[in-house]
Amino acid sequence: DAGITQSPRHKVTETGTPVTLRCHQTENHRYMYWYRQDPGHGLRLIHYSYGVKDTDKGEVSDGYSVSRSKTEDFLLTLESATSSQTSVYFCAISEAGDSYGYTFGSGTRLTVV
Amino acid sequence: GENVEQHPSTLSVQEGDSAVIKCTYSDSASNYFPWYKQELGKGPQLIIDIRSNVGEKKDQRIAVTLNKTAKHFSLHITETQPEDSAVYFCAASGTGRRALTFGSGTRLQVQP
Repeated sequence: DAGITQSPRHKVTETGTPVTLRCHQTENHRYMYWYRQDPGHGLRLIHYSYGVKDTDKGEVSDGYSVSRSKTEDFLLTLESATSSQTSVYFCAISEAGDSYGYTFGSGTRLTVV
Repeated sequence: GENVEQHPSTLSVQEGDSAVIKCTYSDSASNYFPWYKQELGKGPQLIIDIRSNVGEKKDQRIAVTLNKTAKHFSLHITETQPEDSAVYFCAASGTGRRALTFGSGTRLQVQP
């Protein structure tokens, strides 16, 4: 997707290891979001950011942390990966918050074995 | 917080028929209702949205209706084509909250 890149696209990791996913944007948008997508659950919010060093928790934040030291980068860290965190992770950006459309990245498929 | 219910979870139609996907929301303060289309292996893409001061919005073969009293909104796709096959998500948000709440998704299959 233009202006937003997620890395890696795929990752397999072992239970108990830390994992960091990266979201990079070139749009200079203020708002950035991390969602996870699981069958039957749609997209559930993990964490979001409304500016550099301003972050907040979403509905499924346990076991995850985030950092945003620059406008363009929003990092999601699984502190100690568990099998329940096997999922597809999407980053999204928004120019003006939740009352405007998001642009999503292409996703990261994470498998915890 | 907000809760968004989406039905049906799967929908199969014949090419040329219409498809309707329905969502309900719980928070009467919600005032923005977007719909996203997700193709296989890709991120969701915004296809249409509606705000609470509008009852209906149309864009070519796609329309969205909103009933604030009943707290439900629907996506209508007319003259469906095979390329409409995808997963569709509704979402809701409103003043004071910083992120969209999504429904669980509808997998639409258009049979040629």
